[in-house]
Amino acid sequence: DTAVSQTPKYLVTQMGNDKSIKCEQNLGHDTMYWYKQDSKKFLKIMFSYNNKELIINETVPNRFSPKSPDKAHLNLHINSLELGDSAVYFCASSPREGNTEAFFGQGTRLTVV
Amino acid sequence: AQRVTQPEKLLSVFKGAPVELKCNYSYSGSPELFWYVQYSRQRLQLLLRHISRESIKGFTADLNKGETSFHLKKPFAQEEDSAMYYCALPTGAGPASKLTFGTGTRLQVTL
Repeated sequence: DTAVSQTPKYLVTQMGNDKSIKCEQNLGHDTMYWYKQDSKKFLKIMFSYNNKELIINETVPNRFSPKSPDKAHLNLHINSLELGDSAVYFCASSPREGNTEAFFGQGTRLTVV
Repeated sequence: AQRVTQPEKLLSVFKGAPVELKCNYSYSGSPELFWYVQYSRQRLQLLLRHISRESIKGFTADLNKGETSFHLKKPFAQEEDSAMYYCALPTGAGPASKLTFGTGTRLQVTL
């Protein structure tokens, strides 16, 4: 089944904890992204990677650290979680750079309590 | 600045009524625009791209460069159309390109 898949789907954790979200795509795409969807449903890019190289870092706190072990994987590690980090995090990939669509994972709903 | 504006946060229509979800953009050059749909608690899915000029699930969207708009339309709304709809514009260049999304419009189709 070709897709962008991310785990876990739901994550509930306490403030101050460190957590990771994993993302894998088997579409053969070179570019991968992390987007954040907040409680108002606004979608904003956080990071993009092209062939394992960090390209975009949109003023995200350095508690968020993406890691791309290979071009099919882009994981997101979050240190010292805060209440405001509660959101849905979407991983996405694109077949190439430039004006092209993105394919999204199913999202990870993170709740920090 | 390149941006996308969706002026309506919520659009509520009756089943069978026409739907128009507004999208305006700010972009220098010839844009490529997309409409994405997100059904309840699901992933975003591409609904339409302007370059292909296709109709998906009865929805169409025409790029109007004069009005810098890319409104999404459907002549007769169905209950299953209830979802969040996002207009998106690729911005940036080369490897630094990304999708910039509008703030989204929730379409609610009621009986």
